[in-house]
Amino acid sequence: NAGVMQNPRHLVRRRGQEARLRCSPMKGHSHVYWYRQLPEEGLKFMVYLQKENIIDESGMPKERFSAEFPKEGPSILRIQQVVRGDSAAYFCASSPSGLGSSYEQYFGPGTRLTVT
Amino acid sequence: GQQVMQIPQYQHVQEGEDFTTYCNSSTTLSNIQWYKQRPGGHPVFLIQLVKSGEVKKQKRLTFQFGEAKKNSSLHITATQTTDVGTYFCAGPPRSSNTGKLIFGQGTTLQVKP
Repeated sequence: NAGVMQNPRHLVRRRGQEARLRCSPMKGHSHVYWYRQLPEEGLKFMVYLQKENIIDESGMPKERFSAEFPKEGPSILRIQQVVRGDSAAYFCASSPSGLGSSYEQYFGPGTRLTVT
Repeated sequence: GQQVMQIPQYQHVQEGEDFTTYCNSSTTLSNIQWYKQRPGGHPVFLIQLVKSGEVKKQKRLTFQFGEAKKNSSLHITATQTTDVGTYFCAGPPRSSNTGKLIFGQGTTLQVKP
């Protein structure tokens, strides 16, 4: 029973390039959350998606960041024109449900993004 | 906005000593969850507390949810080196009925053998 999968595990980008982070939720889970973690800090919520829908993007920066969870395939977090401040660990989590309830979230191993 | 605070930020203990981390929310929580993150790893769900005054135990770990549902604690009895990591509490925002969680900044535990 595969857990949440994320790739790549490590990503190095130069300033101005694009970063694409992928997340496949646990089997049977249709709710995906993206969090960002800066060194020595907690997790900051970014966005919550269901298949083909963005439910809550209140934690997403207004510019350069976007997320999707298509009908087929993994969820994608996309960062355009990366800057050094985007360097962080990006974690994806999934749960079996979301709206109207609170279930534990299962986290993937994360993608460590380094912007040089 | 809603804030979840944890203290202490760091704790160093000798193996065998007890450890407690405290979590405080600026607003009432419908539930609170605890996660553990090992160095270089990802957060792993430990437990969820829902009821006011609830106490749950997992072996050497004891979790409490305050009567007012605004604070929580995690207590580890007789720490072991395997307990090393950062412990996060998290709760859903008051205004949200989604699964979104607000995380505390975590308490990092170091255990000296």
